[in-house]
Amino acid sequence: KQEVTQIPAALSVPEGENLVLNCSFTDSAIYNLQWFRQDPGKGLTSLLLIQSSQREQTSGRLNASLDKSSGRSTLYIAASQPGDSATYLCAVSPSGSARQLTFGSGTQLTVLS
Amino acid sequence: KAGVTQTPRYLIKTRGQQVTLSCSPISGHRSVSWYQQTPGQGLQFLFEYFSETQRNKGNFPGRFSGRQFSNSRSEMNVSTLELGDSALYLCASSLDGGPYGYTFGSGTRLTVV
Repeated sequence: KQEVTQIPAALSVPEGENLVLNCSFTDSAIYNLQWFRQDPGKGLTSLLLIQSSQREQTSGRLNASLDKSSGRSTLYIAASQPGDSATYLCAVSPSGSARQLTFGSGTQLTVLS
Repeated sequence: KAGVTQTPRYLIKTRGQQVTLSCSPISGHRSVSWYQQTPGQGLQFLFEYFSETQRNKGNFPGRFSGRQFSNSRSEMNVSTLELGDSALYLCASSLDGGPYGYTFGSGTRLTVV
């Protein structure tokens, strides 16, 4: 059974800092890994999708890496802003016939102005 | 391009009642998945539909059911509501599951009293 872990559970940083969020998963047989952002009481916003054959993806100030063999992914946020404050979730999609995401419990990020 | 639309946004129901939630996927997306999000359990997979057929089902009791229509719109139904069913219910659409990533709606907040 796939398990996804995110560390740390919460993180507070001053504005302008670069930061890294971590995600680990137990089963390396994945199609892809997706990073989401969730604001309080809202739905999920997709940030980056990394296919299993890729090593990283970039979008603006965000960069996500994937090391499938070690079961790890990192989300790097450059020059953090107060608007980045949210919960960040990673989710893996299994290879094979199953069509479902397994989520980590998230990292709650607060960027202080 | 319209996103994933979930209705209603908020619902208050009494224990023992039943409820139906609706999800309209992104145009062209044929896969629709449902997730339950609670503070204690995080995001948990309910079921996934593709071309009007349930392809995958999570570990939820039979009180939770769903269906998909020929236009890919989906509904989920919860019968005999319990207090523990209070949650944010999220719908996600995809071209065909894992390899293509998922786009989530804003969710329906269900409160059972």
